[in-house]
Amino acid sequence: EAGVAQSPRYKIIEKRQSVAFWCNPISGHATLYWYQQILGQGPKLLIQFQNNGVVDDSQLPKDRFSAERLKGVDSTLKIQPAKLEDSAVYLCASSLERSPSGTGSYEQYFGPGTRLTVT
Amino acid sequence: ILNVEQSPQSLHVQEGDSTNFTCSFPSSNFYALHWYRWETAKSPEALFVMTLNGDEKKKGRISATLNTKEGYSYLYIKGSQPEDSATYLCAFERSQGNLIFGKGTKLSVKP
Repeated sequence: EAGVAQSPRYKIIEKRQSVAFWCNPISGHATLYWYQQILGQGPKLLIQFQNNGVVDDSQLPKDRFSAERLKGVDSTLKIQPAKLEDSAVYLCASSLERSPSGTGSYEQYFGPGTRLTVT
Repeated sequence: ILNVEQSPQSLHVQEGDSTNFTCSFPSSNFYALHWYRWETAKSPEALFVMTLNGDEKKKGRISATLNTKEGYSYLYIKGSQPEDSATYLCAFERSQGNLIFGKGTKLSVKP
């Protein structure tokens, strides 16, 4: 089974530039997540999609970050313009959809991440 | 503010030592507790998902326990090996379905 794919693996940009990250989840996984992991911290959820709808984007800095998941499969995360504090690893994860009754928790499968350095 | 605390922050052990880490989490709105293993330059890998108070899970030399009433989970590694060197993350899943991660415990196992 192919895992979660992300690209690029590394990116270095100057502040105020734009950057985009791409994620391809595991086939059949309805739920897709983007996390930001700053050095020394745990991953923080930025946005969660269920198919192509947004479930939770409460921690996404919407003035500069945007994400989309067209056709409910691949997703892109964009930062425009970037700030120094955006330097982090951006992780994409996917999981099966929770059952309508809300029972059962599914593990999330993570991609290798994109390490972004803003200078 | 929901906090997931992990201790210790880092740990250095010799090959063959057994070790354990702690994860504490809010006891309200609990849905599940996840443990992940994250090796440098690789993807975080799921170890366990636990949902019931008193759950104990085991995978090889690694096991975990869960106490939802007091809000803690322990991860144990028996007979540590150099390949166990990684950051171990726990994550609290609320009833809403998203995960709140701790900062992790970084384990280094010396041969």
